[in-house]
Amino acid sequence: SQKIEQNSEALNIQEGKTATLTCNYTNYSPAYLQWYRQDPGRGPVFLLLIRENEKEKRKERLKVTFDTTLKQSLFHITASQPADSATYLCALASGEYGGSQGNLIFGKGTKLSVKP
Amino acid sequence: DGGITQSPKYLFRKEGQNVTLSCEQNLNHDAMYWYRQDPGQGLRLIYYSQIVNDFQKGDIAEGYSVSREKKESFPLTVTSAQKNPTAFYLCASSMGLAGGYNEQFFGPGTRLTVL
Repeated sequence: SQKIEQNSEALNIQEGKTATLTCNYTNYSPAYLQWYRQDPGRGPVFLLLIRENEKEKRKERLKVTFDTTLKQSLFHITASQPADSATYLCALASGEYGGSQGNLIFGKGTKLSVKP
Repeated sequence: DGGITQSPKYLFRKEGQNVTLSCEQNLNHDAMYWYRQDPGQGLRLIYYSQIVNDFQKGDIAEGYSVSREKKESFPLTVTSAQKNPTAFYLCASSMGLAGGYNEQFFGPGTRLTVL
């Protein structure tokens, strides 16, 4: 079955810098990949969805890339602020053969801390 | 004001007791889900439902049961058969089930502690 790896459990950066978080998957490429933000003790909140034929997607200070050759998505936060501190989860369809088959599965997340 | 609600926020249970977690949504979504989150772990799918009166087991359904009698409601019962029920439980909904296409809207979660 599809597996997701977010290879940094924690990332600490200085305010104003760009944070880059990584999400890797193991099997055939999913048709869509999603990113969520989760604050402590709260439910995740949807941020962005990127399609397999989109190399890049932007929303305000957020940018997501999707490289089906590397089986990887990168999530960038530019001009980071302490308020960006949270855990960020990537999610994609669980189908072993890619596409949009199967339920959404989530990575374990990367905890981002932005220091003033 | 549309959204998804869960109650209670905190729940304590004695071993051997069944307990039911509430989940309600007014987003008119067809699909609803229950996840469990443990420290350092990702979200794990317990049950999901695409339509009223129908639901499917997720990856870790043992010791849990659900019902979907109304579109708005998807309660989860944690039974005494669940060996390690202490966890953070999240309910979510989406317009449809299409894998990865529909964003999921999450409730605030219920933290269950077994004493």
